[in-house]
Amino acid sequence: RKEVEQDPGPFNVPEGATVAFNCTYSNSASQSFFWYRQDCRKEPKLLMSVYSSGNEDGRFTAQLNRASQYISLLIRDSKLSDSATYLCVVSSGGSYIPTFGRGTSLIVHP
Amino acid sequence: DTGVSQNPRHKITKRGQNVTFRCDPISEHNRLYWYRQTLGQGPEFLTYFQNEAQLEKSRLLSDRFSAERPKGSFSTLEIQRTEQGDSAMYLCASSAPGGRYTEAFFGQGTRLTVV
Repeated sequence: RKEVEQDPGPFNVPEGATVAFNCTYSNSASQSFFWYRQDCRKEPKLLMSVYSSGNEDGRFTAQLNRASQYISLLIRDSKLSDSATYLCVVSSGGSYIPTFGRGTSLIVHP
Repeated sequence: DTGVSQNPRHKITKRGQNVTFRCDPISEHNRLYWYRQTLGQGPEFLTYFQNEAQLEKSRLLSDRFSAERPKGSFSTLEIQRTEQGDSAMYLCASSAPGGRYTEAFFGQGTRLTVV
């Protein structure tokens, strides 16, 4: 079983739609959680950290469920510019080495 | 540009040749990571440095791979006797000293093609 699992998609949605991505992780000792965004042929960039209480940044909401070892990302009012791959990232251990899921591809169309 | 810099951006090599990639992290970032990414997959961890010490290596890192960070600043990743399966994007990331929510900043990667 992979340490971080994501549905690869693609999720194909119209502009203005709400879309949710899920991610599960296998290491119950994981301590830090993130969503990164990766555009085609570009490097990954941090979208947001995921805190235990959940957090929101504009149209983006991230939630963590430690009991189910599950992280989610909700995007409201999707824009064309949201088209990208969204990578779920989990860190554990003293070194906090980021471990990536395979990513979920989002395509927002007009 | 004060971001993470990787060189070269592209490398085409014949099977069996050795290649070396360089990563210059953001200055004062003490943590440096190497990842490999293939099409349709997320970045896979290869190795991690804290300052000049190589603290972790993935089981993915065969004996043909070696990485160094001699002065705790730039790092090199060498692949000896390259194989076609080594073709991938090699990404370097760095992060500042800090706690568990410290962001990792990535370079643009080196795309390796083994022919």
